[in-house]
Amino acid sequence: AQSVSQHNHHVILSEAASLELGCNYSYGGTVNLFWYVQYPGQHLQLLLKYFSGDPLVKGIKGFEAEFIKSKFSFNLRKPSVQWSDTAEYFCAVTPYNTDKLIFGTGTRLQVFP
Amino acid sequence: GAVVSQHPSRVICKSGTSVKIECRSLDFQATTMFWYRQFPKQSLMLMATSNEGSKATYEQGVEKDKFLINHASLTLSTLTVTSAHPEDSSFYICSADTRQINEKLFFGSGTQLSVL
Repeated sequence: AQSVSQHNHHVILSEAASLELGCNYSYGGTVNLFWYVQYPGQHLQLLLKYFSGDPLVKGIKGFEAEFIKSKFSFNLRKPSVQWSDTAEYFCAVTPYNTDKLIFGTGTRLQVFP
Repeated sequence: GAVVSQHPSRVICKSGTSVKIECRSLDFQATTMFWYRQFPKQSLMLMATSNEGSKATYEQGVEKDKFLINHASLTLSTLTVTSAHPEDSSFYICSADTRQINEKLFFGSGTQLSVL
């Protein structure tokens, strides 16, 4: 079945460690790609998005993601995490010719000082 | 795992009619539910935050009389688009937050609304 997969369900890091969260999708054709974040007790916020152009996308708070079409991936990265990055991260895809947003199951990131 | 059920998945209606969208948490109690909409080629936009037993909190620019939200129980929130017009056509998605499972957010499958 077509889906969005986030293989890391729970990630625990120390501050200053590097972060990479995986996201793979199984839709063919053109897609729009998003990473959202939910901080504890808050609603979902957009971190970054990719529609077209440069496959390396920079978002807020030092996050970036790289779209690799051949791998159907859109992994999220941050070189040095902070305690305040503790949150739930969701990858989402809008498949070609549809307005529907498909979410991955999320990755819970815990950063310890 | 926890499941959020959203119905209907797709609705087509005539201009001027009202449409109700349901969001149910099937196996957990959702103290807070969020309603979002997404326009084509844009990201999600938060419309309102719904807390059980109290009035919803609407984001700036969202008409509360247009988008009626009711969170009557810990497992059900509804969004009613009143007197729908073509510009209301969009993808609506709910999410449910629970304080019981490490504050994880669960999404409904979304509702594609098309107003003719």
